[in-house]
Amino acid sequence: DQQVKQNSPSLSVQEGRISILNCDYTNSMFDYFLWYKKYPAEGPTFLISISSIKDKNEDGRFTVFLNKSAKHLSLHIVPSQPGDSAVYFCAASANTGNQFYFGTGTSLTVIP
Amino acid sequence: DVKVTQSSRYLVKRTGEKVFLECVQDMDHENMFWYRQDPGLGLRLIYFSYDVKMKEKGDIPEGYSVSREKKERFSLILESASTNQTSMYLCASQGNTEAFFGQGTRLTVV
Repeated sequence: DQQVKQNSPSLSVQEGRISILNCDYTNSMFDYFLWYKKYPAEGPTFLISISSIKDKNEDGRFTVFLNKSAKHLSLHIVPSQPGDSAVYFCAASANTGNQFYFGTGTSLTVIP
Repeated sequence: DVKVTQSSRYLVKRTGEKVFLECVQDMDHENMFWYRQDPGLGLRLIYFSYDVKMKEKGDIPEGYSVSREKKERFSLILESASTNQTSMYLCASQGNTEAFFGQGTRLTVV
C-alpha cells in the first residue's frame, strides 16, 4: 500500500514561471519529509527537507510547504529553469534515521 | 565529498544467470538500502540492512537476496535473473537526515 503518493506523473511549466509539485501521505506517524531530484541514468540527489515542527522551509529557489492536517506537502520552484527538468520524488519517514518511503515521482519539464 | 559507489552503470545478463550488484559507501552509515526504479512505480524497496550481517525484506524481495559482510558494502543478488528484473537499481546509504544514492545500475536481462 503506497503510503506516499504523487498523483501527477508529469508537469510542464514555462521557464521563469512557478513549478508546484504535490505529495500526499497517509501515515500520521511521518514527521520528516524530503524531496529528491533525479536525472536520467543518475541516482537521486537530495534537494530539500522539512521537519513536522515546521510548515515551511526555503532554500534559494526551492520552498517546501507542509500541511500536517491535510497530510500534504508541496515543492515550489521559483523561477523555474530548464535545468530543473527532472523527476522529483518526495519521501517521508517516521523519526529521522528510519526508512524513507518514496512517492512514485513527478516528471517536470521546464520549457525554454 | 560523500560517496555511494555502485560497481556497474550498465549490465546485460542472460535469463537464469546469477547477478551480483555491489554497493560501497564511505560515510560509515549503518543503514543501507536497495531500490529498483521502474516507470510509473517510483522507487520500490527491495531489501535493507541496519547493521553488518543484518538484513530485512522490503516491499518486493522476491527473486532477490542480499549480503552485508562489512559495514561499507551491501550487495544485491539476483539468484536467477528473469526478464521482469530488467530495471534501474539504486543503492542508498542513509544517515539521520538524508539518504545518499549511488549513480544507479541499469540492468537488462535478455
